[in-house]
Amino acid sequence: DAKTTQPNSMESNEEEPVHLPCNHSTISGTDYIHWYRQLPSQGPEYVIHGLTSNVNNRMASLAIAEDRKSSTLILHRATLRDAAVYYCILNTDKLIFGTGTRLQVFP
Amino acid sequence: DTGVSQNPRHKITKRGQNVTFRCDPISEHNRLYWYRQTLGQGPEFLTYFQNEAQLEKSRLLSDRFSAERPKGSFSTLEIQRTEQGDSAMYLCASSLDADSSPLHFGNGTRLTVT
Repeated sequence: DAKTTQPNSMESNEEEPVHLPCNHSTISGTDYIHWYRQLPSQGPEYVIHGLTSNVNNRMASLAIAEDRKSSTLILHRATLRDAAVYYCILNTDKLIFGTGTRLQVFP
Repeated sequence: DTGVSQNPRHKITKRGQNVTFRCDPISEHNRLYWYRQTLGQGPEFLTYFQNEAQLEKSRLLSDRFSAERPKGSFSTLEIQRTEQGDSAMYLCASSLDADSSPLHFGNGTRLTVT
């Protein structure tokens, strides 16, 4: 399974944009890029996914590099409720999680 | 609430006992997954079903672990002769039948083996 690399932690202030990077240099042509987040004491929650084109939804935006070897999850205005562990995952028939990026949001 | 439901939320058991967890997926979802998560780590894949067929099992799933999905709806995960190392959060997820379909997770069953 192709692997992803994410920073262990990031910090942001409330109401500021947050860019969470992910490297996946061994991605194959059929791998979708998925992002999930996990709040304390909860199961992971789907955020967004994409294949080649940038994607937007109500939660976030996903910017995918042209060579698909990296991607960035963008939270346009961080809130305290966005404090969580964010996982970048390459999906085939199952998700293999890494350790993710712990995002802290300060008021 | 039509999300993924897991029961019980917490289970404390003594080493050597058997435990069984239940997962009720979202009704129209064909795929069902089990994961295990220990403190500070991401969820680890254990196994998944497409309808009632168990399609893949991780090497993490020792002989003491067994999962079933008899009618392609709910699933059970049984751990026999529990060990302290089995203490973890056991997560269930379900999805539609496509590789790119998002997984919907339950809030897990936290197992503590004393």
